[in-house]
Amino acid sequence: QSALTQPASLSGFPGQSITISCTGTSSDVGTYNLVSWYQQHPGKAPKLMIYEVSKRPSGVSNRFSGSKSGNTAALTISGLQAEDEADYFCCSYAGSSTLFGGGTKLTVL
Amino acid sequence: EVQLVETGGGLIQPGGSLRLSCAASGFTVSTNHMSWVRQAPGKGLEWVSVIYSGGSTYYADSVKGRFTISRDNSKNTLYLQMNSLRAEDTAVYYCARLYDFSSFDHWGQGTLVTVSS
Repeated sequence: QSALTQPASLSGFPGQSITISCTGTSSDVGTYNLVSWYQQHPGKAPKLMIYEVSKRPSGVSNRFSGSKSGNTAALTISGLQAEDEADYFCCSYAGSSTLFGGGTKLTVL
Repeated sequence: EVQLVETGGGLIQPGGSLRLSCAASGFTVSTNHMSWVRQAPGKGLEWVSVIYSGGSTYYADSVKGRFTISRDNSKNTLYLQMNSLRAEDTAVYYCARLYDFSSFDHWGQGTLVTVSS
């Protein structure tokens, strides 16, 4: 049960687009279309932003989009805004378990 | 409105036991998949356990044999019984409802468990 791999940090200017990668294996990301992404602000509970690779829950901005190719999933945030500054975690079903990525700290410059 | 409220956290000595509760409202625990996820101070999220609507349960290797997930349908509450606690179990414990097998669509506010002598 190894964690999924994400970059530790990323940054971007307001209005830019950024992409956070999430690399797993053929036993998790590569096999199941059950990748989700979470946004977490300091001291708050995580919030679901993307589920089943590319679906957005009601209320989540369409600036957030998800994709997957092989064993790697990605979260793209377009038109970066100050309130997007947060930690982002990917997550994948892995059969009888669930794996999270180590998290990416996004800084809006 | 869906709400999840965790209670039961606190300071416990290594080797001790603690039971966390997660009271749900706005939906029925027994007909949904439910999970516990934890976050050590300053660290990332770690999946702990799941109980599916059918009653099957699964655990992370790090807690297998020590933690037990369960639910009380009459109280619409999820539980996590934690035994043989270790320092590395120190974390905020969240309960979460699953939309599918691994998409956590609603989270509680979390309860802090500190294992220390």
